[in-house]
Amino acid sequence: SQQGEEDPQALSIQEGENATMNCSYKTSINNLQWYRQNSGRGLVHLILIRSNEREKHSGRLRVTLDTSKKSSSLLITASRAADTASYFCATLDQTGANNLFFGTGTRLTVIP
Amino acid sequence: DAGVIQSPRHEVTEMGQEVTLRCKPISGHNSLFWYRQTMMRGLELLIYFNNNVPIDDSGMPEDRFSAKMPNASFSTLKIQPSEPRDSAVYFCASSLAGQVGSPLHFGNGTRLTVT
Repeated sequence: SQQGEEDPQALSIQEGENATMNCSYKTSINNLQWYRQNSGRGLVHLILIRSNEREKHSGRLRVTLDTSKKSSSLLITASRAADTASYFCATLDQTGANNLFFGTGTRLTVIP
Repeated sequence: DAGVIQSPRHEVTEMGQEVTLRCKPISGHNSLFWYRQTMMRGLELLIYFNNNVPIDDSGMPEDRFSAKMPNASFSTLKIQPSEPRDSAVYFCASSLAGQVGSPLHFGNGTRLTVT
C-alpha cells in the first residue's frame, strides 16, 4: 500500500508553541500534499511539495521533503487554538494516475 | 465559489435498504473522487472519474457499491443493499484533470449510519 503514516497520531500543545508532524510513505512519488480536517468537515488542502523540492513555506506552515528517506514534515509555527484539527499527508505516485493516497492523520490539539 | 456540494449530510437507514449519495463538483473541475472515511481504515479511495468516465474503481469494496457520473456537474454513489459495516463518512472531491496531482477540493461529506 502507498498509504502514508503520520507521526505522532495525536499531539497536544499550548497556544504559541510550534507543532511538528511527520509523514512517511512507501513508494516513489510525484508530489506530496498536506491537508487539514476540522471535526465534521471535509479536508482542506494546505500545501503541495513536488518531489524535486526540499522545502516550502506558506504563511505559518513549513513543509520539508526528504525523498531519500521517504518522509515529510509539516511545521506549524506560533500555533493558535484555531489550528486544532487533524492533519493528513497525501502522496501522488509516479504512475501518472491522478489519485492521492492519504495517511492516517495526526490529531492536533492547541490549548488556549 | 460554491465548493463541492454533497447531499444528504446525514443518512440513517436500515440494513438492506438502498442508499444514494449525491455530489456536485466545483464548476470547471473534471476529475471527481469518492472517498470513504472510518476510524479503523482512515480515508479510502473508492472510485474516481476523469471527464465523467470512471478511471479506477478498484477501491469499490463490493458489487453492492456503484457510482455514476452522468454529466460534468453531478455524481452519485449507490449502495444496494446497505449493511451496518458500510457505516462511515463518504466524501466527494473534485480537481482539475490535466494537472496531475492538483489539489483536491472536498465536500463536507455524508455521514451514513446503517442499523
